[in-house]
Amino acid sequence: EVQLVESGGGSEHPGRSLRLSCAASGFSFDDYAMHWVRQVPGKGLEWLSGISWNGNLLGYSDSVKGRFTISRDDAQKSLYLQMNSLRVEDTAMYYCVRDIDPGTCTPSSCGYFDSWGQGVLVTVAS
Amino acid sequence: VLTQSPSTLSLSPGEGATLSCRASQSIGTYLAWYQQKPGQAPRLLIYDASNRATGIPPRFSGRGSGTDFSLTITRLEPEDFGVYYCQQRGNWPPLTFGGGTRVEI
Repeated sequence: EVQLVESGGGSEHPGRSLRLSCAASGFSFDDYAMHWVRQVPGKGLEWLSGISWNGNLLGYSDSVKGRFTISRDDAQKSLYLQMNSLRVEDTAMYYCVRDIDPGTCTPSSCGYFDSWGQGVLVTVAS
Repeated sequence: VLTQSPSTLSLSPGEGATLSCRASQSIGTYLAWYQQKPGQAPRLLIYDASNRATGIPPRFSGRGSGTDFSLTITRLEPEDFGVYYCQQRGNWPPLTFGGGTRVEI
């Protein structure tokens, strides 16, 4: 069974940093692209960033580009999101998600999310 | 940009539901649908416009291409109530979601 367990959330002040982690199990982690998606409570979903199976960056949303950094450690079967220069509008539930397609992402593959973690809440407030 | 309509559907168990998602530019058939229940993470229902994800019952079906897509739920079950999102991978990054349609009793 695929399991994704996020950690590292909590409350932080604007301008500070947080690092989210996602521990994966139940599948060959190093075969899959992984992503972070967030959801402001009561609002919709926003893709933040993705990283390919081999560590290549798939992209960032404009809202976090230059502030957040995605990374992975295949030996630890873990995905990370380093969040710097936090803003009040970064307050949200953050989900670690697995891409539907194993292997290299092409224009006709990758980009759907078939497994989701339970999410971790990040609150940014002064 | 993905625009979903209606924002809310009020229906009874046993009724059918049709949800719409319109893209601001053509995305081929690169569209997925997710269901989210309160307090839970989203769940993938449909990908590539019409393919059901693993374990999704046949009462869920998707269709469409280009800019107009729909998700149909025949004979709503009590567990089908929640919020449904469409999401595109036709032009990415970024991957984008629609604003959601709430299906309520």
